[in-house]
Amino acid sequence: GAVVSQHPSRVICKSGTSVKIECRSLDFQATTMFWYRQFPKQSLMLMATSNEGSKATYEQGVEKDKFLINHASLTLSTLTVTSAHPEDSSFYICSASRFQDGNEQFFGPGTRLTVL
Amino acid sequence: AQSVTQLGSHVSVSEGALVLLRCNYSSSVPPYLFWYVQYPNQGLQLLLKYTTGATLVKGINGFEAEFKKSETSFHLTKPSAHMSDAAEYFCAVSEEYSSASKIIFGSGTRLSIRP
Repeated sequence: GAVVSQHPSRVICKSGTSVKIECRSLDFQATTMFWYRQFPKQSLMLMATSNEGSKATYEQGVEKDKFLINHASLTLSTLTVTSAHPEDSSFYICSASRFQDGNEQFFGPGTRLTVL
Repeated sequence: AQSVTQLGSHVSVSEGALVLLRCNYSSSVPPYLFWYVQYPNQGLQLLLKYTTGATLVKGINGFEAEFKKSETSFHLTKPSAHMSDAAEYFCAVSEEYSSASKIIFGSGTRLSIRP
């Protein structure tokens, strides 16, 4: 159990367009969902934390108008990269947690975004 | 503030040799510690975690880690490396146990296995 999926797995878009990435907890209801960004050969940087039905909490330095997070249900969170530019190209990973597992997070497979 | 330092961005060992990946943490409260593994272009998979109790933690795929408070360390070991162990390994720390807790990741260590 505790499977998290992401869609799409990879996306290529033109500069100036917006891209939406979905994160779903397939077999459990997630208490909290997290969005990370990972540059090549680097660690994961937390972008934001979101709970169902409330506004996401963004980390310092992350532009909330650039990276829109919607957490519409206990099993779905979306990250929209608005007006994407080449510097937004990265690997985006989501994770989800559930109450009974404390602070353990279950990670999705990631989404590779390339902005041309 | 919590932080994690992983010594050695790249470790290379021979197949069958001991694997030792080093991790030191900083935390103002008793920490919760994790080791995750990441294969290329994939998400993270939990290897093991320390919450409370026994300081030697056994995980999946033959890995284990020991929490040493006096040394603020949580090094990951495996007695005999296998080719399939080649991956990126991340040590991580959290200061709270709730499902909303942040996890802070180290910079990662790439493990290579020589035939």
